[in-house]
Amino acid sequence: GESVGLHLPTLSVQEGDNSIINCAYSNSASDYFIWYKQESGKGPQFIIDIRSNMDKRQGQRVTVLLNKTVKHLSLQIAATQPGDSAVYFCAENSGGSNYKLTFGKGTLLTVNP
Amino acid sequence: EAGVTQFPSHSVIEKGQTVTLRCDPISGHDNLYWYRRVMGKEIKFLLHFVKESKQDESGMPNNRFLAERTGGTYSTLKVQPAELEDSGVYFCASSQLYLAGGELFFGEGSRLTVL
Repeated sequence: GESVGLHLPTLSVQEGDNSIINCAYSNSASDYFIWYKQESGKGPQFIIDIRSNMDKRQGQRVTVLLNKTVKHLSLQIAATQPGDSAVYFCAENSGGSNYKLTFGKGTLLTVNP
Repeated sequence: EAGVTQFPSHSVIEKGQTVTLRCDPISGHDNLYWYRRVMGKEIKFLLHFVKESKQDESGMPNNRFLAERTGGTYSTLKVQPAELEDSGVYFCASSQLYLAGGELFFGEGSRLTVL
């Protein structure tokens, strides 16, 4: 079936470096994508979203890039901080207008001081 | 303002027993979702309520799972009888908007362990 997956299960960076987390999706009909951050013992927390009519969207220290040609999504975190350590999920709205999200497996980001 | 709250945070039961998980969405949010993550797998959609009505329950794994949202406020998810493969974290989420694009707020999850 359709799925959203992550290339790298773990990513370790130094504090202050930029982080890039990647995600591949397979449903070409998907038109809305979200990145979530999940800290230990907590639920997924919204970071940033992007619609399929865009290829880039910026937030505070985060940027999401969407490449529909190769069905690829990435999350860039600038000047990574220890508080950014968490599991990051990409999610795809699998058709329809409600939040029937398809999640990727998640990437564990570890920021070393 | 309180976020999405879930109870219990962790439940340990034996196979064949019954467990009921509760979710209180953010006040005023008509849309309530249940998701779950079983060990080693992705977070999966279970169902979606709009007020007290089930809008989409295509993700419910089988008839051992029963979700309700009487009165359109809090929701319960009952597993009866529980099986080993039901172990995982059950997340509830709510949103104000029906259309995807508004923020979806997740609770901290209820961890279910079936022995």
